[in-house]
Amino acid sequence: DTGVSQDPRHKITKRGQNVTFRCDPISEHNRLYWYRQTLGQGPEFLTYFQNEAQLEKSRLLSDRFSAERPKGSFSTLEIQRTEQGDSAMYLCAITYRETNEKLFFGSGTQLSVL
Amino acid sequence: AQKITQTQPGMFVQEKEAVTLDCTYDTSDPSYGLFWYKQPSSGEMIFLIYQGSYDQQNATEGRYSLNFQKARKSANLVISASQLGDSAMYFCAMRRGRGAQKLVFGQGTRLTINP
Repeated sequence: DTGVSQDPRHKITKRGQNVTFRCDPISEHNRLYWYRQTLGQGPEFLTYFQNEAQLEKSRLLSDRFSAERPKGSFSTLEIQRTEQGDSAMYLCAITYRETNEKLFFGSGTQLSVL
Repeated sequence: AQKITQTQPGMFVQEKEAVTLDCTYDTSDPSYGLFWYKQPSSGEMIFLIYQGSYDQQNATEGRYSLNFQKARKSANLVISASQLGDSAMYFCAMRRGRGAQKLVFGQGTRLTINP
């Protein structure tokens, strides 16, 4: 158990719809990250938070994507007007203060845009 | 720019044998971190092992060890006494510098352990 819970596990949506994913770090942690993994590729960094502050956003994160972490605990990732190219696994990850170098991932949300 | 290269798309190994998964990296940063993750068919990314660029000794975690050759820029994963449950995708990744864990991942190697 990595201490990261993601919901939903799977999401199927139609092109043009909005979707929102949630990440709940169960344990005490330092920073929270979002990554995206498309089929046959390794994960790619999207954005990260320290407490409520979103400190960096990748160029992969178009203006249709928005991530929030309102109280410095759980985080949400919203995609507006979904496109078929958004189909991917969206992974949330955290670092713990004691082992700051190590990144621990949740099980991810698999998004399929039809 | 950093880059991770995993040249083995697939590996087939007999159960109980040792296996080495290759990883080479490219960075001009003197400070970096190297990771290996396992991704079973269920999809979760499981942290296996970490090596810092200034670490003097090769990292080990149970049956996993990282063969770190700094001059060659390689960070191969060695799994000793392979088990059927080791069948999965394996990703090598690199973090540039210290601080935020913005990792760059390789393409992965699919490892299959045969009984």
